[in-house]
Amino acid sequence: GQNIDQPTEMTATEGAIVQINCTYQTSGFNGLFWYQQHAGEAPTFLSYNVLDGLEEKGRFSSFLSRSKGYSYLLLKELQMKDSASYLCAAMDSNYQLIWGAGTKLIIKP
Amino acid sequence: IAGITQAPTSQILAAGRRMTLRCTQDMRHNAMYWYRQDLGLGLRLIHYSNTAGTTGKGEVPDGYSVSRANTDDFPLTLASAVPSQTSVYFCASSEKAGGSTDTQYFGPGTRLTVL
Repeated sequence: GQNIDQPTEMTATEGAIVQINCTYQTSGFNGLFWYQQHAGEAPTFLSYNVLDGLEEKGRFSSFLSRSKGYSYLLLKELQMKDSASYLCAAMDSNYQLIWGAGTKLIIKP
Repeated sequence: IAGITQAPTSQILAAGRRMTLRCTQDMRHNAMYWYRQDLGLGLRLIHYSNTAGTTGKGEVPDGYSVSRANTDDFPLTLASAVPSQTSVYFCASSEKAGGSTDTQYFGPGTRLTVL
């Protein structure tokens, strides 16, 4: 079956760095997406990886290892506004997104 | 402002009633999607449409129907609501038709409670 695993909740300190991991098993693979979702709001797109390696976009970076079925989202210089859920989603061979349950990130001052 | 709108924002519905959730996008995107989001679970695809005039079933289509008469609108209908359909419903769209990797953009969601 198809499955996405990511931690349910993480806590970090303002100004620090946090890494949110995601492992996936899908029928075929057409890329890995990360979305941010603040409480009560819609998911918003953060990043997309289809090749192995690190993609950097400002304070956020995303890494992919296709051979390991593994990705992570790295958030640097954490700000209070980064408190949100982070959703990992893998695109399968039918170009459908398979979603993880999300990681709730709590930022403490 | 370009984007996706959904209506209503929230709704409380008696079991057995019929309900249509509305979704409209003005980005001229080809593909549109309906998801439900439940606590502790990932977003689950209900139905999708790769282009106007076509629809397909997602992971959890039972009890729901959709239509895509034009590019902009993609309504989701619950023919006879049941309490297990209590959820937050998100509509999304992507520029390209199905069969390509493309970013999905989400509407603000509809919070539905079925009693």
